[in-house]
Amino acid sequence: AQTVTQSQPEMSVQEAETVTLSCTYDTSESNYYLFWYKQPPSRQMILVIRQEAYKQQNATENRFSVNFQKAAKSFSLKISDSQLGDTAMYFCAFMKPTGNQFYFGTGTSLTVIP
Amino acid sequence: DADVTQTPRNRITKTGKRIMLECSQTKGHDRMYWYRQDPGLGLRLIYYSFDVKDINKGEISDGYSVSRQAQAKFSLSLESAIPNQTALYFCATSDPSRQGATDTQYFGPGTRLTVL
Repeated sequence: AQTVTQSQPEMSVQEAETVTLSCTYDTSESNYYLFWYKQPPSRQMILVIRQEAYKQQNATENRFSVNFQKAAKSFSLKISDSQLGDTAMYFCAFMKPTGNQFYFGTGTSLTVIP
Repeated sequence: DADVTQTPRNRITKTGKRIMLECSQTKGHDRMYWYRQDPGLGLRLIYYSFDVKDINKGEISDGYSVSRQAQAKFSLSLESAIPNQTALYFCATSDPSRQGATDTQYFGPGTRLTVL
């Protein structure tokens, strides 16, 4: 079975600073996909960034980037120039190509402090 | 307009009542999913459907049933609601365009269900 672990239940960061959210996962699969989703107070689940395991290059999306370490089974999210609108719960998710099932971590609540 | 909609957005019901949560999508995706979110547990998969005739149980299907009425509609039913089914429920869709392609899931706004 796949498990996804987010060891930081809560984090805070000053506006304009950089913060890194951690995620580790456990799988015996060699090919898979990893995602970070954001859930603001509106509770909508919003895709932040995604990474394909067979790609060595780390994904980036504007102020968001990941540090994907396949051997260590680690997938951290870096948010640069943090903004107040980044305040949200962040979920890491793992997906196998077959079956298309997502496995989510328990989330990290991020607060951006003005 | 939202691509994935859920009705109702909030619902309070009593133990033993039958309740249905509905999900509609205009994305044209074949795959649809139901998740529940509980504090401290993240999202867990209840049921998923790859097309109208293909429905599969997820991690926590006991106490739930689903109906895929059309490509665009996927309903979740609680036949006899109990308090520990109080949670936030999400519908999601996806569309793998080709083998090996990233298959992102797109979520609805969620339904907050309270069972008294």
